[in-house]
Amino acid sequence: DGGITQSPKYLFRKEGQNVTLSCEQNLNHDAMYWYRQDPGQGLRLIYYSQIVNDFQKGDIAEGYSVSREKKESFPLTVTSAQKNPTAFYLCASSTRGGVNTEAFFGQGTRLTVV
Amino acid sequence: AQKVTQAQTEISVVEKEDVTLDCVYETRDTTYYLFWYKQPPSGELVFLIRRNSFDEQNEISGRYSWNFQKSTSSFNFTITASQVVDSAVYFCALSEAEGGATNKLIFGTGTLLAVQP
Repeated sequence: DGGITQSPKYLFRKEGQNVTLSCEQNLNHDAMYWYRQDPGQGLRLIYYSQIVNDFQKGDIAEGYSVSREKKESFPLTVTSAQKNPTAFYLCASSTRGGVNTEAFFGQGTRLTVV
Repeated sequence: AQKVTQAQTEISVVEKEDVTLDCVYETRDTTYYLFWYKQPPSGELVFLIRRNSFDEQNEISGRYSWNFQKSTSSFNFTITASQVVDSAVYFCALSEAEGGATNKLIFGTGTLLAVQP
């Protein structure tokens, strides 16, 4: 089945450690996105990528890094510089058709810093 | 600046009641798209509808209907005869046009709908 797979579903991290969240899609989409969801704040864009080997910062990129070496994969690293990393992280993808294309979302990764 | 406001944080209804979720947006673009997504307890966002700024026709899909009014910058969502399975968080979103190459979504804060049996 076509879709977006995020792993792991739950992740625990000690303060000061980097951690990488996986996102894989088999929808043949060019564009991929990472959003962060906090209670009462909706979803906020962290990074997005329109094509392989290219990505741009979103609204809250500080403390995060990404790579886009393959079309299917867009991993997100939460670095120790991110001051409040506990949140629900959602990966999405879409065709590169512009503002009229809907995004498809994965099931999310809940990150908790302990 | 682009912004989406969902003033209703939580709504609780009894099964079979009708319920309307409000969405108000702000944008300077003349061409834009509006979306509604549903987030069930499992976490992923499920796409419900897309509407472009030039099409103000209301749309009905089964028990769901959408009312788009540019004059009031609103894109409200009504569920008729609600069911327990409709319980979820519902997000309204606006796409940002920056060059038109990518769909960057601006989300509202969401409305938690609880349908009681």
